[in-house]
Amino acid sequence: KAGVTQTPRYLIKTRGQQVTLSCSPISGHRSVSWYQQTPGQGLQFLFEYFSETQRNKGNFPGRFSGRQFSNSRSEMNVSTLELGDSALYLCASSPTVTDTQYFGPGTRLTVL
Amino acid sequence: QKEVEQNSGPLSVPEGAIASLNCTYSDRVSQSFFWYRQYSGKSPELIMSIYSNGDKEDGRFTAQLNKASQYVSLLIRDSQPSDSATYLCAVLFQGAQKLVFGQGTRLTINP
Repeated sequence: KAGVTQTPRYLIKTRGQQVTLSCSPISGHRSVSWYQQTPGQGLQFLFEYFSETQRNKGNFPGRFSGRQFSNSRSEMNVSTLELGDSALYLCASSPTVTDTQYFGPGTRLTVL
Repeated sequence: QKEVEQNSGPLSVPEGAIASLNCTYSDRVSQSFFWYRQYSGKSPELIMSIYSNGDKEDGRFTAQLNKASQYVSLLIRDSQPSDSATYLCAVLFQGAQKLVFGQGTRLTINP
């Protein structure tokens, strides 16, 4: 089975712009979670989707949003980018919400 | 108290020795526990999962779980330089049905 894929792998944006990141889960997985990881920080939970519904949301401002499509693919959007949004954004998928999560390679976002 | 807490590290271990990584969690009814390894600049990869009290062995890795003490650990025997990475403990919190990660422990194996 193909693993979790994320596009793009690298992205450079400037402050004030917006960005959309994409995640394709492992085939058959219906749960997708997003995390932000900055240097020296652990994984910060952003949100989790299951069957197109947001189940959990982390403590991030409303500039961070996401959605999940009927084929389980997910996107996250960050509007009005700030320098502090520079991070590795990780997507993880699992068959259901209580199963093992498998991570994609991540999207490295740099905000200038 | 943090929901999932790990040794702050960094942890330095000589090659060939046993590396011991510890994790405590706050949810008394959690049933599923995971260890991930993350190399610098890469994404986390699953090493082991454990669901029952006691030890679970997989090659050089042993996960130990003690639900009464709300404690889970990972032992790496015969440590190799390639084991140098950050190790993340994750606990599935039953009530909220969400996976909570610790901050990670950075492990360095010295040749």
